[in-house]
Amino acid sequence: NAGVTQTPKFQVLKTGQSMTLQCAQDMNHEYMSWYRQDPGMGLRLIHYSVGAGITDQGEVPNGYNVSRSTTEDFPLRLLSAAPSQTSVYFCASSHRESNQPQHFGDGTRLSIL
Amino acid sequence: KQEVTQIPAALSVPEGENLVLNCSFTDSAIYNLQWFRQDPGKGLTSLLLIQSSQREQTSGRLNASLDKSSGRSTLYIAASQPGDSATYLCAVPYSGAGSYQLTFGKGTKLSVIP
Repeated sequence: NAGVTQTPKFQVLKTGQSMTLQCAQDMNHEYMSWYRQDPGMGLRLIHYSVGAGITDQGEVPNGYNVSRSTTEDFPLRLLSAAPSQTSVYFCASSHRESNQPQHFGDGTRLSIL
Repeated sequence: KQEVTQIPAALSVPEGENLVLNCSFTDSAIYNLQWFRQDPGKGLTSLLLIQSSQREQTSGRLNASLDKSSGRSTLYIAASQPGDSATYLCAVPYSGAGSYQLTFGKGTKLSVIP
């Protein structure tokens, strides 16, 4: 099983550029989410989705867009990259029941110059 | 707002020692609590999930307990090994949110010395 797959693994952008971080899961999970991890701040929730066609904001949504057209895919878009968005981004998925653990991808390391 | 604190931030122990990692949270109305392991440069791996109705969960040398009333959880690692060296994170759902919107502690970085 592939689990949660994130691409790319590394990316360097210039300020103002846009890009899409890809996330795909093959476990038929209803719930998917994006977190960013920064030194001293821990992981913070950016956006999440409880199913295809449904998305909502987390704790730090500004500067990011998401969409969920299929159960499998949940891309994260940076509209106009800023140095403050330099971070490690993790995608996670799970079934909706409270007894189900979250599965995480290996992350995308993003640097904005 | 849910807040999660993990103490200590770092811990170094000799191989074979039993150890306890601590996690505290401010809002006791939680669906569950999860413990994760993160290796350098890697994603998070779920170790144990304790539902709100449970007091503890065990997996191999790991045992996690949950005391909702006091807002505390502990992760007990028996007979530690160098391969246990990693950062351990606990997470609980946001206050008033579904069980899948997680608030994380900042982690405890564990080093097991051979």
